[in-house]
Amino acid sequence: GDSVTQMEGPVTLSEEAFLTINCTYTATGYPSLFWYVQYPGEGLQLLLKATKADDKGSNKGFEATYRKETTSFHLEKGSVQVSDSAVYFCALPGGSNYKLTFGKGTLLTVNP
Amino acid sequence: DTAVSQTPKYLVTQMGNDKSIKCEQNLGHDTMYWYKQDSKKFLKIMFSYNNKELIINETVPNRFSPKSPDKAHLNLHINSLELGDSAVYFCASSAVRSGALHFGNGTRLTVT
Repeated sequence: GDSVTQMEGPVTLSEEAFLTINCTYTATGYPSLFWYVQYPGEGLQLLLKATKADDKGSNKGFEATYRKETTSFHLEKGSVQVSDSAVYFCALPGGSNYKLTFGKGTLLTVNP
Repeated sequence: DTAVSQTPKYLVTQMGNDKSIKCEQNLGHDTMYWYKQDSKKFLKIMFSYNNKELIINETVPNRFSPKSPDKAHLNLHINSLELGDSAVYFCASSAVRSGALHFGNGTRLTVT
């Protein structure tokens, strides 16, 4: 079935460092791809999405490009802040019920 | 106004008890979900309803029974609670066939 694999965490960075969280997918066809973020003590929030190959999703300084040739959707940010500390999930929908399947999550900690 | 609200936020109970978690959304969405998040942050879908009709029922013990009285509400009843049921349970909603889910803030269930 359709699935996503994202890099194991935790990831610890200093403020203003460059962030990459890798995500690769396995799917039949070309599904939309999503990144969600979960701040401590909260539910998940949609961070960004891309609906077709070569689309770039962006929000709050984060970006991810849908790469069909490498089946990837890596999350990047040029300069992280302490407030970006959270768990990040890659996700894709699949099946006739459009079930959203999440990666295992990557914990990001940004130190001042 | 809270878009997806679930109650209670915390639930501590003993093995063998029966408990319910309630969820309501005011976004006008047709589809609602229950997800379980374990201590390692892994998210697994349990159930999904579309317009009060069950459309996703993952491999979940029969002790878990969802109920959707109307499309704005999806409750989760758990019978004979076990230690392994301890987790954070998230309710979410979305438009039909959309990967853009709106999550509640979760119910942390602790079974002792």
